[in-house]
Amino acid sequence: KQEVTQIPAALSVPEGENLVLNCSFTDSAIYNLQWFRQDPGKGLTSLLLIQSSQREQTSGRLNASLDKSSGRSTLYIAASQPGDSATYLCAVDSNYQLIWGAGTKLIIKP
Amino acid sequence: KAGVTQTPRYLIKTRGQQVTLSCSPISGHRSVSWYQQTPGQGLQFLFEYFSETQRNKGNFPGRFSGRQFSNSRSEMNVSTLELGDSALYLCASSLALGGPDETQYFGPGTRLLVL
Repeated sequence: KQEVTQIPAALSVPEGENLVLNCSFTDSAIYNLQWFRQDPGKGLTSLLLIQSSQREQTSGRLNASLDKSSGRSTLYIAASQPGDSATYLCAVDSNYQLIWGAGTKLIIKP
Repeated sequence: KAGVTQTPRYLIKTRGQQVTLSCSPISGHRSVSWYQQTPGQGLQFLFEYFSETQRNKGNFPGRFSGRQFSNSRSEMNVSTLELGDSALYLCASSLALGGPDETQYFGPGTRLLVL
């Protein structure tokens, strides 16, 4: 049974810092891994999708990596801004469903 | 292109009642998935439909059901509501979930409160 874990559960850093969020999964048989952000009381916004055959994807200040053999993904956020404050969730696409981590709540202090 | 829409946005019901939630996917998307989000359990998969066929179902009781219409719009129904069904119900669409490049796009959700 696929399980997804995110560490840390919460993170508070000053504005301008670079940071790394971690996601691990137990079964490497995945189609892809996706990172989302969720703002309080709102739906989910897709940030990056990494196909199972890829090692990383980049979008602006965000870079996500995938190591399928070790069951790990990281989301790197460069030069963090207060607007980056949100909950970040990773999900693996397996057997026509997304299986989710519990998320990392990120607070960027001005 | 319009995003995923969900109706209603908010709903208050009492125990024992039933409820139907609606989801309209992005035009051209044939896969619709439903998720339940609660503070205690996080995001949990309910079911996924593709071209009117349910391809996968999560670990929820039979009170939770869904369907997809020929225009890809989807509904989910919860019968005999319980207090624990209070949650944010999210719908997502994609061109065809299960491929290597299939980003899911989420609607704003329906917040259900069961009293």
